[in-house]
Amino acid sequence: KAGVTQTPRYLIKTRGQQVTLSCSPISGHRSVSWYQQTPGQGLQFLFEYFSETQRNKGNFPGRFSGRQFSNSRSEMNVSTLELGDSALYLCASSWDPDGADTQYFGPGTRLTVL
Amino acid sequence: AQTVTQSQPEMSVQEAETVTLSCTYDTSESNYYLFWYKQPPSRQMILVIRQEAYKQQNATENRFSVNFQKAAKSFSLKISDSQLGDTAMYFCAFRSGYNNNDMRFGAGTRLTVKP
Repeated sequence: KAGVTQTPRYLIKTRGQQVTLSCSPISGHRSVSWYQQTPGQGLQFLFEYFSETQRNKGNFPGRFSGRQFSNSRSEMNVSTLELGDSALYLCASSWDPDGADTQYFGPGTRLTVL
Repeated sequence: AQTVTQSQPEMSVQEAETVTLSCTYDTSESNYYLFWYKQPPSRQMILVIRQEAYKQQNATENRFSVNFQKAAKSFSLKISDSQLGDTAMYFCAFRSGYNNNDMRFGAGTRLTVKP
């Protein structure tokens, strides 16, 4: 099976712009989670989607949003970008939303905000 | 709230030797899952090993094994016969078994395997 894919891999934006990141889960996986990784804060949970519904949300401002499509692909959007949004954004998929199932991560999207 | 602590920011080990990475966690739950993930310089997070809290037997995967001490809330990773390819950041992670789907990660341990 192909792994989790994320596009684009690298992105440079300026403050105030918005950005959309995409994640395609492993075939058959229904749950997609998003994480932000920064040197200062480490890995932080953003949100999780299952069957096109947001099941869980981390402690991030409303500028961070996401959605999931019927084919389980997911997008996350960040509006009004700030310098502090520069990070590696990781997507992870699993078959089932409960904790029994392991999450498999994509390679990440490196976002730089100038 | 669950927290995960990795007290060793950096470690090094000689090739072919054994190294143990420490992890402690805090939770009031009885049903949960613990993971070790590896993140090499390529930044791809790779699952190393997982442990279900209800299982008393420690998980093993080839050269990787864990020492799971539930009462002490400790979950250390032992890497035997270290290889150069084991050089990476290692993250300990906690996931609730009660449909709380966010994963809590530790700050990571940077492991360097020296030839």
